[in-house]
Amino acid sequence: QKEVEQDPGPLSVPEGAIVSLNCTYSNSAFQYFMWYRQYSRKGPELLMYTYSSGNKEDGRFTAQVDKSSKYISLFIRDSQPSDSATYLCAMSAAFTGGGNKLTFGTGTQLKVEL
Amino acid sequence: DGGITQSPKYLFRKEGQNVTLSCEQNLNHDAMYWYRQDPGQGLRLIYYSQIVNDFQKGDIAEGYSVSREKKESFPLTVTSAQKNPTAFYLCASRIAGGGDTQYFGPGTRLTVL
Repeated sequence: QKEVEQDPGPLSVPEGAIVSLNCTYSNSAFQYFMWYRQYSRKGPELLMYTYSSGNKEDGRFTAQVDKSSKYISLFIRDSQPSDSATYLCAMSAAFTGGGNKLTFGTGTQLKVEL
Repeated sequence: DGGITQSPKYLFRKEGQNVTLSCEQNLNHDAMYWYRQDPGQGLRLIYYSQIVNDFQKGDIAEGYSVSREKKESFPLTVTSAQKNPTAFYLCASRIAGGGDTQYFGPGTRLTVL
């Protein structure tokens, strides 16, 4: 079993829809949670960063962390065709002593259609 | 204009050859990382370096080598010992004390002919 599970999709939604992307994890030591967006053949770019449990909002994006359920989500409101990309969740444990290594999900491919 | 650059964007290698991928950053970040990305497998850590002249193996270091002679540069050599080198290679960096957020370069696509 992988430490981080993420549905690969593809997920196809109409423009303007609310998108929900999710990851589950098994390592209870994870405390830092990130979402990256990756366009085809490009490097991932950081979208959201959260520490421990709770919500964080940035424009059309909201990140949620539920440590009790070991479940994180990224919501995209009013989705646009430009949001079409692969979304990667990533997480790490505090004081890893190992270069703050990130553990990534496999990514969910999202397509927002006109 | 700060950032991470990787070159070349595309690289073709014949079997049995060693090739070196370049990664440079002008963000003054202390730590640098190399990942490999394959379809359906996410990002896997090859090597990382937290300080000049020091580096550590990641999860899939076999067949790869790195050096960190300057803070700005962290080149990755894919040796002939790497049995399945065709992949998308990503370099990342992180500032010390900046949480665990890593920032990525644009990537190099390596294809073995």
